[in-house]
Amino acid sequence: SQKIEQNSEALNIQEGKTATLTCNYTNYSPAYLQWYRQDPGRGPVFLLLIRENEKEKRKERLKVTFDTTLKQSLFHITASQPADSATYLCALDRGFNKFYFGSGTKLNVKP
Amino acid sequence: DTAVSQTPKYLVTQMGNDKSIKCEQNLGHDTMYWYKQDSKKFLKIMFSYNNKELIINETVPNRFSPKSPDKAHLNLHINSLELGDSAVYFCASSQGGKGDTQYFGPGTRLTVL
Repeated sequence: SQKIEQNSEALNIQEGKTATLTCNYTNYSPAYLQWYRQDPGRGPVFLLLIRENEKEKRKERLKVTFDTTLKQSLFHITASQPADSATYLCALDRGFNKFYFGSGTKLNVKP
Repeated sequence: DTAVSQTPKYLVTQMGNDKSIKCEQNLGHDTMYWYKQDSKKFLKIMFSYNNKELIINETVPNRFSPKSPDKAHLNLHINSLELGDSAVYFCASSQGGKGDTQYFGPGTRLTVL
C-alpha cells in the first residue's frame, strides 16, 4: 500500500534561516504532489503543486523539488519568519481526485 | 465570505448516538470530499462526490453515510457512534481536474464519550 513519510519530529530553526522539509513516498508514482500548510484548529491550506515532469517550483519564499527517482519531495522556506510556524503536509495524487496525505512536519521558527 | 464552511465546529456525544455534520462550499466547485484526521494528524480521505455522485468510498464503515443534496453541499451522517470515531473531520472541495487544489473547511472536532 502507499506509504508517505514526513519527519514526525518538529523542525526548530532560527528566524532568517532556510527550513527544509522532506516528503518520501513508496509504492506509487504520483503525477502530482502538493504541499499544504495547517495551523492549529484550522483546515489545511494549499501552497504549491508540482508535476512529475517538473524538477522544481517556486512561489515567493517557497520552493518545492520533486525527485521521482528518489521518490522524494523537498519543501524549502527561505528567510523563514515566526509566522511560518505551522504544520506542513505533503499530498500525493493517486488519480481520480484521490490524494494521500502525509502526517505532516511541524515547523517552529524562533525569533 | 467563507469558501468552505462546516457545522458544527465541535460535537461531543455519547457512544451509540447518531450525528450529522454539514458542509457547504460557495466556490462553484464540482467535487467535494470528507477527510478524517486522527490524533496522529494523518489526514485520510473517506468520500468524494462529483456533481452529487459518489466517486470515492475509501472502505469506510457503512455507519458513515454521506449525502449530497446539491453540488454545493455534502453532509456526513454517522450512525451508532463509537469511541474510535473521535477525530477531526474536514470537508473539502475542488474543481475536479487532475491534481486540482483542494479547499478545506475549518474542521469539526468530534468527541465520542
